[in-house]
Amino acid sequence: GEDVEQSLFLSVREGDSSVINCTYTDSSSTYLYWYKQEPGAGLQLLTYIFSNMDMKQDQRLTVLLNKKDKHLSLRIADTQTGDSAIYFCAESLNSGYALNFGKGTSLLVTP
Amino acid sequence: DGGITQSPKYLFRKEGQNVTLSCEQNLNHDAMYWYRQDPGQGLRLIYYSQIVNDFQKGDIAEGYSVSREKKESFPLTVTSAQKNPTAFYLCASSIRGNGYTFGSGTRLTVV
Repeated sequence: GEDVEQSLFLSVREGDSSVINCTYTDSSSTYLYWYKQEPGAGLQLLTYIFSNMDMKQDQRLTVLLNKKDKHLSLRIADTQTGDSAIYFCAESLNSGYALNFGKGTSLLVTP
Repeated sequence: DGGITQSPKYLFRKEGQNVTLSCEQNLNHDAMYWYRQDPGQGLRLIYYSQIVNDFQKGDIAEGYSVSREKKESFPLTVTSAQKNPTAFYLCASSIRGNGYTFGSGTRLTVV
């Protein structure tokens, strides 16, 4: 299938905000997801947004959705060293089961 | 607690051997998935199953086999036909319309 696009790397200083961007492919996707993967571990669901929403905030996380441009972003406020990980965005597909993942953005937080 | 369990965490295979990776979930999820993760390549879908006794090939099924005899279990066999099996393998499960729950992964190394 078509690729969900993400930039591969992002480096920020501790305390700054991080913004990770994603361009997805399916305009009919019902849900869009952000997953976090720490080294040597599986993926954990961070947050998700329903397609009829523009924004969702959950503590330090803000998700913005631009359906017209099929653009999704994840903002992490007050980024900490523990936020260093790989972040994957994913779109739901028509089957209702499968997700289409991006290749992941490696976030490095420096002191 | 409900969850998805992969075992073993580390697995070593000699060339020419078949090995089986275990994935068990007690979430009552219908669908289960196997992904392979290589550095810089994101997640690649190997096989998936939406119902017991049925499964479909993903993007990189060659050299792998699966079974789905029980709803809770979706083992993956890496056969000797898989020429480059060293990778991190992730199992996931889902119900229709929801995101995935991932296991903690199995790292397979050919020795």
